[in-house]
Amino acid sequence: AQTVTQSQPEMSVQEAETVTLSCTYDTSENNYYLFWYKQPPSRQMILVIRQEAYKQQNATENRFSVNFQKAAKSFSLKISDSQLGDTAMYFCACGDGATNKLIFGTGTLLAVQP
Amino acid sequence: GAGVSQSPSNKVTEKGKDVELRCDPISGHTALYWYRQRLGQGLEFLIYFQGNSAPDKSGLPSDRFSAERTGESVSTLTIQRTQQEDSAVYLCASRFGPSNQPQHFGDGTRLSIL
Repeated sequence: AQTVTQSQPEMSVQEAETVTLSCTYDTSENNYYLFWYKQPPSRQMILVIRQEAYKQQNATENRFSVNFQKAAKSFSLKISDSQLGDTAMYFCACGDGATNKLIFGTGTLLAVQP
Repeated sequence: GAGVSQSPSNKVTEKGKDVELRCDPISGHTALYWYRQRLGQGLEFLIYFQGNSAPDKSGLPSDRFSAERTGESVSTLTIQRTQQEDSAVYLCASRFGPSNQPQHFGDGTRLSIL
């Protein structure tokens, strides 16, 4: 069974600053994928970034990057140059290689302050 | 539209009634997923479809819950004899291609049981 843990229920950051959201996971799968999704008040789940477990290089997507530590089963998200529009709930998720059903953490509510 | 469409957007019903929730995935997406999100929590996996078959139903919480998919397109999630604990947002997602590809989510149906 897979589990995903997000230990920060809420975070706050000043506009233009950098913030890191933590995520740890546990899985018995050898082939799996990791994702960060953003959920603004509109309720829609928006993909932020994804990482394939077999790739050592950390994924980056514009202002978003991850620190993937496979041995430690850690997958943190770094947001640089935070913008007001980044205010949302952020969910870390792990998908198995066969079906990619996603197991989600409980989320981190990020507030970007002007 | 180009995205995953769910209907209704909101549904209020009395305890004990049956409800049907609908999901129209993105055209051509063969994989379809249903998740449940209780208030203030992360998403819980319910069921996964590949084409019209459901190889993974492990997340359905009880036999009151069922889902089907026809024509490798529309899916309906049915909850019979609704209970107050069924109140949640039900999200549908679809995916194209191999399992490392991201899931695209709809806006969900907010179900409230009185």
